[in-house]
Amino acid sequence: QKEVEQNSGPLSVPEGAIASLNCTYSDRGSQSFFWYRQYSGKSPELIMSIYSNGDKEDGRFTAQLNKASQYVSLLIRDSQPSDSATYLCAMGGGSYIPTFGRGTSLIVHP
Amino acid sequence: GAVVSQHPSWVICKSGTSVKIECRSLDFQATTMFWYRQFPKKSLMLMATSNEGSKATYEQGVEKDKFLINHASLTLSTLTVTSAHPEDSSFYICSASIASGRDPFDNEQFFGPGTRLTVL
Repeated sequence: QKEVEQNSGPLSVPEGAIASLNCTYSDRGSQSFFWYRQYSGKSPELIMSIYSNGDKEDGRFTAQLNKASQYVSLLIRDSQPSDSATYLCAMGGGSYIPTFGRGTSLIVHP
Repeated sequence: GAVVSQHPSWVICKSGTSVKIECRSLDFQATTMFWYRQFPKKSLMLMATSNEGSKATYEQGVEKDKFLINHASLTLSTLTVTSAHPEDSSFYICSASIASGRDPFDNEQFFGPGTRLTVL
């Protein structure tokens, strides 16, 4: 059974700090990984996708993928209170059915 | 690009009535759409996977006769909650993915804004 594990948190960081969110997955065959952000009462929105080992940067966000260790992480630099949300890690594959983690709650305090 | 809409955004209905929720991909053709349910402060739960022109595939524990899914075109999928009861009150979210044929890009999902259902 495909699984994605995330620490539910909450992860609390001060404004301006780097927030580090981590995720491990069970299926070695997975090729695509995604990070979604979900504000309370809203639907998820895609932040980052990553398919290859290494880092992928987009603005203040950096996704890191290590297929050998089966983990994917998301770094948020210069964290802002508006980044406070639940972050969902997801993995995909040829079956088109995604597997989501339970999400990590991030709180950025002023 | 890649915008998904849902209608209605919220609905209140009486117990025993049926409610239809529409999910549309506005600027792309979605070969696969997914329906999720989320209870307050709980994780996203996949209900069913819907492919255009074929029957939906329901997750274990989801009653297919209660949650009717129709995916009549590449841009529209509907979820009908039949004979709704208070325990069906939840946040229903659809998402659509683009099957570009270039795996691993196939699984990038775009979520609709969700529909909040309250059954009295």
